[in-house]
Amino acid sequence: EPEVTQTPSHQVTQMGQEVILRCVPISNHLYFYWYRQILGQKVEFLVSFYNNEISEKSEIFDDQFSVERPDGSNFTLKIRSTKLEDSAMYFCASSDGWRNQPQHFGDGTRLSIL
Amino acid sequence: QKEVEQNSGPLSVPEGAIASLNCTYSDRGSQSFFWYRQYSGKSPELIMSIYSNGDKEDGRFTAQLNKASQYVSLLIRDSQPSDSATYLCAVIGGSARQLTFGSGTQLTVLP
Repeated sequence: EPEVTQTPSHQVTQMGQEVILRCVPISNHLYFYWYRQILGQKVEFLVSFYNNEISEKSEIFDDQFSVERPDGSNFTLKIRSTKLEDSAMYFCASSDGWRNQPQHFGDGTRLSIL
Repeated sequence: QKEVEQNSGPLSVPEGAIASLNCTYSDRGSQSFFWYRQYSGKSPELIMSIYSNGDKEDGRFTAQLNKASQYVSLLIRDSQPSDSATYLCAVIGGSARQLTFGSGTQLTVLP
């Protein structure tokens, strides 16, 4: 069964450094998402992406965050200057429709900011 | 603020019993409803999707939706210890494209 793949599985970074989290969505999916889950808390939406542009973003997704689809397969989330509170699991998801199509999640990247 | 509410549990059921998980949502325009299973330290795994009122069955799982009551539930029949996980209710609202998740219900199935 097709899968969403994420790399790395765990990223440890010093506060203030830039990180890039990578995702390969399911190949025939056109809609891409990033979510995050702080330990013990809800899964929270960050951003959705379609047709090479951001469709929606949450209040969490401020100027420190950016997304990019650099080629036909990868989808990346960049955090420019990491803060301690950015420590969380970051999940990439993809779907082949907006509403009546389920989103499939990757295994996640655990981001630890020191 | 669109909200999705779930009883956090923990909910414990004996092996072979029916587990019943409930969820309410605040956005009356919501159109799509999903149940995800999340094992500790893992990612959400899609269990069921439901889009219209009534019941939808898939194996041991049955999702139920009542849009008038803004209520969605998940029944797990013949519960197994491997079903022990946190079950996340997720909703796509009327004008939104992203999932709004509840805080999850932790289920433990006792052998």
